[in-house]
Amino acid sequence: GAVVSQHPSWVICKSGTSVKIECRSLDFQATTMFWYRQFPKQSLMLMATSNEGSKATYEQGVEKDKFLINHASLTLSTLTVTSAHPEDSSFYICSATRTSGRTGEQFFGPGTRLTVL
Amino acid sequence: KQEVTQIPAALSVPEGENLVLNCSFTDSAIYNLQWFRQDPGKGLTSLLLIQSSQREQTSGRLNASLDKSSGRSTLYIAASQPGDSATYLCAVGANSKLTFGKGITLSVRP
Repeated sequence: GAVVSQHPSWVICKSGTSVKIECRSLDFQATTMFWYRQFPKQSLMLMATSNEGSKATYEQGVEKDKFLINHASLTLSTLTVTSAHPEDSSFYICSATRTSGRTGEQFFGPGTRLTVL
Repeated sequence: KQEVTQIPAALSVPEGENLVLNCSFTDSAIYNLQWFRQDPGKGLTSLLLIQSSQREQTSGRLNASLDKSSGRSTLYIAASQPGDSATYLCAVGANSKLTFGKGITLSVRP
């Protein structure tokens, strides 16, 4: 149990285009989903936290107009990178938790490799 | 602001060796601590989760300990195997967030 999927697993796009990444909890309802990005040889950095049906909470320094997050249901959250540029190239990973409030165990997706040309 | 440190950044050991991976954190007001494994280009696999009220957790050849007061956790791997080669990440949970260390890249030589 507690499987999280991401789609696509990798994407290559031209500069200026928008890319949507989906995160799904396959066998549980996710009260909260998280989006992280990871640069080579670096740790995961939290971008935003989203709860179903409400606006996402973005970490300091993350542009909410550039990284649009929608948590439309208890099993699906999407991250849209708008007007992508080469510096947005990174590994994006989502996670989901079954519990609300306190920090519950997070289950991670396999990640999406974004390359912007 | 919570900071999580994992030293060294890389470690190479011969097969069969028992080893300890260290993790330290600056703010002891945590709710839990997780150890993850990450293979190159892949997502994270959760290895062990320790709640703040617990001292250790075990799963197979893995044992993780937590000393909240000193801000330390260790991941013990018994009888290491080449298949254990990966990056091991420590993450501290507090305020509904996880803060990650940079990880330790482990290489187990046959």
